[in-house]
Amino acid sequence: GDSVTQMEGPVTLSEEAFLTINCTYTATGYPSLFWYVQYPGEGLQLLLKATKADDKGSNKGFEATYRKETTSFHLEKGSVQVSDSAVYFCALSDLTSYDKVIFGPGTSLSVIP
Amino acid sequence: GAVVSQHPSRVICKSGTSVKIECRSLDFQATTMFWYRQFPKQSLMLMATSNEGSKATYEQGVEKDKFLINHASLTLSTLTVTSAHPEDSSFYICSARDPLAGDYEQYFGPGTRLTVT
Repeated sequence: GDSVTQMEGPVTLSEEAFLTINCTYTATGYPSLFWYVQYPGEGLQLLLKATKADDKGSNKGFEATYRKETTSFHLEKGSVQVSDSAVYFCALSDLTSYDKVIFGPGTSLSVIP
Repeated sequence: GAVVSQHPSRVICKSGTSVKIECRSLDFQATTMFWYRQFPKQSLMLMATSNEGSKATYEQGVEKDKFLINHASLTLSTLTVTSAHPEDSSFYICSARDPLAGDYEQYFGPGTRLTVT
């Protein structure tokens, strides 16, 4: 079945550092890919998405490109801020998963001043 | 974008009682909604798929008699935790997809934190 793998956390970075969180997926269909963010004590927020190969999703300085050849959707940000401290989930959804969202395990990010 | 609400946001109940959590799609109709459970510092675990007008589909290992799901209308699904015990304490999140949208994006509710004492 479909699955999502993320790099293990927690990740600790200094403010203004470059961020990469790796995400790879396995899917039998042609999924849409998502990054969700969860701030402490809150629900999920959609950070960005991509629906087809080579699409680049971007939001709030974060970017991720849908790479079908490597089945990857790595999240990047050029300069992180303390306010970016949160848990980031890579996810996919498609018809073969019956619209269910398949989540990765999440990566906790802490940004220190 | 589409909005999904949940009520209540937090609930504390005594062991042995039942608790109902509501999930509403506010500006779209959803024939299917999903219920997730999240333990501290863990990912979301899909519990069940709620289908309007029919029985819910439960994931393996989820007790259907304990977690009752009712999807009575195109904008409302409810999850009832029956005879709650402390191990049912968790963060419960629902989601729904707008069938008129062009992709598979799910809209998530803000979650309900259940504490069973």
